[in-house]
Amino acid sequence: DAKTTQPPSMDCAEGRAANLPCNHSTISGNEYVYWYRQIHSQGPQYIIHGLKNNETNEMASLIITEDRKSSTLILPHATLRDTAVYYCIVRWRMDNDMRFGAGTRLTVKP
Amino acid sequence: EPEVTQTPSHQVTQMGQEVILRCVPISNHLYFYWYRQILGQKVEFLVSFYNNEISEKSEIFDDQFSVERPDGSNFTLKIRSTKLEDSAMYFCASKGMGQGADGYTFGSGTRLTVV
Repeated sequence: DAKTTQPPSMDCAEGRAANLPCNHSTISGNEYVYWYRQIHSQGPQYIIHGLKNNETNEMASLIITEDRKSSTLILPHATLRDTAVYYCIVRWRMDNDMRFGAGTRLTVKP
Repeated sequence: EPEVTQTPSHQVTQMGQEVILRCVPISNHLYFYWYRQILGQKVEFLVSFYNNEISEKSEIFDDQFSVERPDGSNFTLKIRSTKLEDSAMYFCASKGMGQGADGYTFGSGTRLTVV
């Protein structure tokens, strides 16, 4: 039941912005977009979430298109420690569980 | 920053044995979860737990699995009779309530190896 589509892998140069896309063309009006990442074999780490408006926190920015069918996670100045698998998840806020797909493996290169 | 703590970090068990994986969620969190990740595969939802009962479970969470919150602080996952295919990383997560509390906090996992 893939609600999101992400590229399997991306590279980014250290110090540059990493822009990770996600397509969610079947998103419904009450569903949020969440982003998590998993560094190596650690537990997933929550990054950010949003509904309609763009969001920013200390880790990243989330840009959601006006039609809400796609979004982009932006890491403004990627470091080597940002190398991880990034997961885009569409979920109704009151759903009881978070379902992970295959994600995008981001490799930040020196 | 508050953490979810999982013990042990690595457990080796013989096929057919029972194992209990332990988690200490963040103290004021109310929702608790178990996930697993077989090596090289995606993170899979197992079960969610709220108000001392299972809220939702996946098709993976069969009769061999059970969860418990025995003392108000620990949250455990029991596998009654382990199989080779139960070998995986098991992650516990917890979530609070209210504004800004939608992100799950995951523990660092228990690597279970069934031999």
